[in-house]
Amino acid sequence: DAGVIQSPRHEVTEMGQEVTLRCKPISGHDYLFWYRQTMMRGLELLIYFNNNVPIDDSGMPEDRFSAKMPNASFSTLKIQPSEPRDSAVYFCASSLWAGEYSGANVLTFGAGSRLTVL
Amino acid sequence: EDKVVQSPLSLVVHEGDTVTLNCSYEVTNFRSLLWYKQEKKAPTFLFMLTSSGIEKKSGRLSSILDKKELSSILNITATQTGDSAIYLCAVDLSWGKLQFGAGTQVVVTP
Repeated sequence: DAGVIQSPRHEVTEMGQEVTLRCKPISGHDYLFWYRQTMMRGLELLIYFNNNVPIDDSGMPEDRFSAKMPNASFSTLKIQPSEPRDSAVYFCASSLWAGEYSGANVLTFGAGSRLTVL
Repeated sequence: EDKVVQSPLSLVVHEGDTVTLNCSYEVTNFRSLLWYKQEKKAPTFLFMLTSSGIEKKSGRLSSILDKKELSSILNITATQTGDSAIYLCAVDLSWGKLQFGAGTQVVVTP
């Protein structure tokens, strides 16, 4: 299994440009999460999907951020227009729900996309 | 507001020492608590704890949950330089929605 695959690994862009981050979850997983990590705020959940349907997007900072999951094997996180404060490492994670009484989903994280907005 | 607080924020130890990391939480809905290890890249899963008082062990690492005290500890015995990492504690609020702490950075010197 290749794990969760994210691209690009690094992105440097200028303020105002559109940024698209991509994620391929582990095959068979039914949950997909987008997290953002910064020194100041740590790991923050942005949005998550269950069976391709967005469940909770309360962590999305503002309208400049959008996420889609058109099918079970692909998701995108888009920032338009980008701003310097969006600079962070963006992680995608996926999991397989193990049942009502099993506790948490155990998330498997991708390697992350490091975004720098100048 | 849900909170997960880890302490200390960082520590430096010598190889062979024992390390104890703390995680406390105040959340509206607790399902379980998880520990992750983050080296240079993605966090990797260590333990999940759902019941109080049950210790989970994996080699030199162990963790226990105290639901009465709303806290957990992660112990690392006989530390090695490969244990150097950020250790993250997270509480599952609902259906995999994890609230992470800020992490504890552990540096193990030879």
